[in-house]
Amino acid sequence: GQNIDQPTEMTATEGAIVQINCTYQTSGFNGLFWYQQHAGEAPTFLSYNVLDGLEEKGRFSSFLSRSKGYSYLLLKELQMKDSASYLCAAMDSNYQLIWGAGTKLIIKP
Amino acid sequence: GAVVSQHPSWVICKSGTSVKIECRSLDFQATTMFWYRQFPKQSLMLMATSNEGSKATYEQGVEKDKFLINHASLTLSTLTVTSAHPEDSSFYICSASQTRGYNEQFFGPGTRLTVL
Repeated sequence: GQNIDQPTEMTATEGAIVQINCTYQTSGFNGLFWYQQHAGEAPTFLSYNVLDGLEEKGRFSSFLSRSKGYSYLLLKELQMKDSASYLCAAMDSNYQLIWGAGTKLIIKP
Repeated sequence: GAVVSQHPSWVICKSGTSVKIECRSLDFQATTMFWYRQFPKQSLMLMATSNEGSKATYEQGVEKDKFLINHASLTLSTLTVTSAHPEDSSFYICSASQTRGYNEQFFGPGTRLTVL
């Protein structure tokens, strides 16, 4: 079957760095997405990886290893506004997104 | 660009009534629209995928007669929850993409439905 695993909750300190991991198993693979979702709001797009390696975009970076079925989202210089849920989603061979349950990130001062 | 709107933002209705939620792509043509449901502290659950001009494809376990989806134009899709019950109370989110293949999904702001 198809499956996405990511930690349920993580806590980090303002100004620090946090890495949120995601492992996936899908029927075919057409890329890995990361979305941010604040409570009560819809998800917003953060990144998309389809090739192995690291993609850097400001304070956020995303990494993909297709051979390991693994991705991570790296958040640097954490700010209080980064407190949110981070959703990992893999696109299968039918271009359908398979969603993880999300990682709730709590930032402490 | 790539803005998706939803209306209404929130709705409260009585059990047994029907509720229609609209999803519009404001500045692009959405070949494909997706409807999701999200319960508190849970991830997104895809309900159905609709392509303009054709019938929606429903996910397993989603009753197509209860959740009516219409994608009549390239900028508008509607979800009608028929004979709503309290267990249908949830956060409903639509998203749209510009092509049938890969493309980023742009999400609407969501509609919070409460059925009394």
